[in-house]
Amino acid sequence: QQQVKQSPQSLIVQKGGISIINCAYENTAFDYFPWYQQFPGKGPALLIAIRPDVSEKKEGRFTISFNKSAKQFSLHIMDSQPGDSATYFCAALHWSNKLIFGAGTRLAVHP
Amino acid sequence: GAVVSQHPSRVICKSGTSVKIECRSLDFQATTMFWYRQFPKKSLMLMATSNEGSKATYEQGVEKDKFLINHASLTLSTLTVTSAHPEDSSFYICSASGNQGAANQPQHFGDGTRLSIL
Repeated sequence: QQQVKQSPQSLIVQKGGISIINCAYENTAFDYFPWYQQFPGKGPALLIAIRPDVSEKKEGRFTISFNKSAKQFSLHIMDSQPGDSATYFCAALHWSNKLIFGAGTRLAVHP
Repeated sequence: GAVVSQHPSRVICKSGTSVKIECRSLDFQATTMFWYRQFPKKSLMLMATSNEGSKATYEQGVEKDKFLINHASLTLSTLTVTSAHPEDSSFYICSASGNQGAANQPQHFGDGTRLSIL
């Protein structure tokens, strides 16, 4: 089963708050888990990524937590800003080099 | 680094016209390029994968005669939507990755092409 489930579908956070987006996968043939940020009318931009042998990766305000046994991973955005308002996609890279995307989360950060 | 340029950004044309979209990797050699289609408020749907110098591999349900893909060099892939009709209107996005054979290579995306068929 090549599927990545992402939740929530939409998220509203106050400025300065923490945004949390969750993803789960079933296929153990995935070996790389990137997160993409997409603004309206633009292509997705690679935000941060993690490999399955690491449980956490932090880059600035963005952190990925990865639970290999539960086949779950999440994105945390600390000190969320209005400029973070965008659609976020989790993804999983299959050994065939295909990226499987989650359905996306529309984040709105209110001032 | 890892910049992917897509052109044009927007196309409006009449039904029956063929439209070509270019995808270029500007600062790396893209051994593999991917073409996606995205409907409003939806996720990206992979249409096809192309490796430089070989025929593209199309996903199930994607018409290869409708969506012609050429990957003639390590920096350029093109998608031609032949005899486009209104149902082909969509946001088309390309991505590129380098170092074929190496594991865990990220895909870098272009800014997409908004295709509107009247």
